[in-house]
Order: sequence, then C-alpha cells, then structure tokens
Amino acid sequence: QSALTQPPSASGSPGQSVTISCTGTSTDIGGFNYVSWYQHLPGKAPKLIIYEVNKRPSGVPDRFSGSKSGTTASLTVSGLQAEDEGDYYCLSYAGTDRGVFGTGTKVTVV
Amino acid sequence: EVELVESGGGSVQPGRSLTLSCVVSGFKFDDYAMHWVRQTPGKGLEWISSISWNSGSIGYADSVKGRFTISRDNTQNSLYLQIDNLRPEDTALYYCARDVFVRTPVRPGRGMDVWGQGTTVTVSS
Repeated sequence: QSALTQPPSASGSPGQSVTISCTGTSTDIGGFNYVSWYQHLPGKAPKLIIYEVNKRPSGVPDRFSGSKSGTTASLTVSGLQAEDEGDYYCLSYAGTDRGVFGTGTKVTVV
Repeated sequence: EVELVESGGGSVQPGRSLTLSCVVSGFKFDDYAMHWVRQTPGKGLEWISSISWNSGSIGYADSVKGRFTISRDNTQNSLYLQIDNLRPEDTALYYCARDVFVRTPVRPGRGMDVWGQGTTVTVSS
C-alpha cells in the first residue's frame, strides 16, 4: 500500500494552467474510478475539490478539473489565481475497503 | 450547519492507548460512511481507516492494522478511533471526514466532502 506518486511542486503565473499528476498502479488508480483530490492549506482542514475522478462538488470553481488515464490521475487548475496556492493531494481507492493518498504537491502562483 | 468535531487527542507515552472521538451534527449520520485521516508533522496526508454507514464494512491501512480500531455509534452521532500500543510515528493531527455518498459501500477515494478541524496526538516518552 505505497503512497501514490505526485510531483513535489508545481507552479504557474496568474491566468496560466497547471496540471498535477498522480501515479499509482493497477490495484488502485488503474483498477477503480474512485479518485478524489483535496486542497490543503496550512492550519485548515483539507477541502474536497474533485470526487470520482472528474466530478466537482458544488461551490468548487470550474477552473478545477480531473481526469484519469490508466494508472495516472490528473488535476488541472486553469486560470490560476493567487488563492489556489497550497498543497494538493490525490486519494484513490485501493481495494478491500482501503484507500491511499498521494505524496502531495505544493502549488505556487508566481 | 454540517459539522464534525474531533476530540480525545493529547500527549501520551509510547505503549499507551487512546480513543479519539468525532461528534457530528447537521446531517443524518447513519446514512454516511466515515473516515479517519492523519497528517504527520511536516508530511502529507495518510488514510487510516474507514467504516460503512452500518459498520458492516471496515478498512484499515496496513501501517495501523492490528493496533487501530474504528467504530461508530449511530445513536450518539459519533465516530471513534481506538489506538493501542501507541508509537512515536503515530504522532499526527487526526481528522475525521464524511463520505460523499449516502448508504454506499466503503470506497475511500471516492470522495470525503466534510472534514473536522482535527485533534492532535503526540507520542513521546
């Protein structure tokens, strides 16, 4: 049950797009369409921004989108804004009622 | 207002036990699977355990299996995490979270849409 692999950091200028990858295996990401993404700001609880691979909860801007191909899931933030700075984590179902998070990606708006 | 409030954290010595609680309000607790997630100092999020709406399905991370026990009391709108034989590596901020969907099998990863603010556990001699 190893953590999913994410790049440690990603950055972009305001208005640009940034894509974060989340790489797993056939026993987690590749085996199920149960991937979610979370924004985690210091001192705050994680916030759900994508569920079931590509669905957005109400209140989450459509600048956030999710996708999956094979054993890799991706989160794209379009039209980057300063408030998007923070840590982002993917989470996948890993079978037999278990889950596994990604290693996390720090997004910086430069 | 939908709310999750964790409690029970503290400073404990290695080898001792602790039970964390998560009291919920503002929604029908017995409709939802619930999850525990922790964040260790300076590190990322780690999924710990999940329990279905009726306690029929339970899952644990390999790193805690055998020492952690998740349970719930739907009459008290409460979720619990019992931690036995505490280790220094259990030092973390522990969050409880609600599943996105109602009355579905436990599928951590599908989505956790409501989170508490967390309770801190520090394990040190």
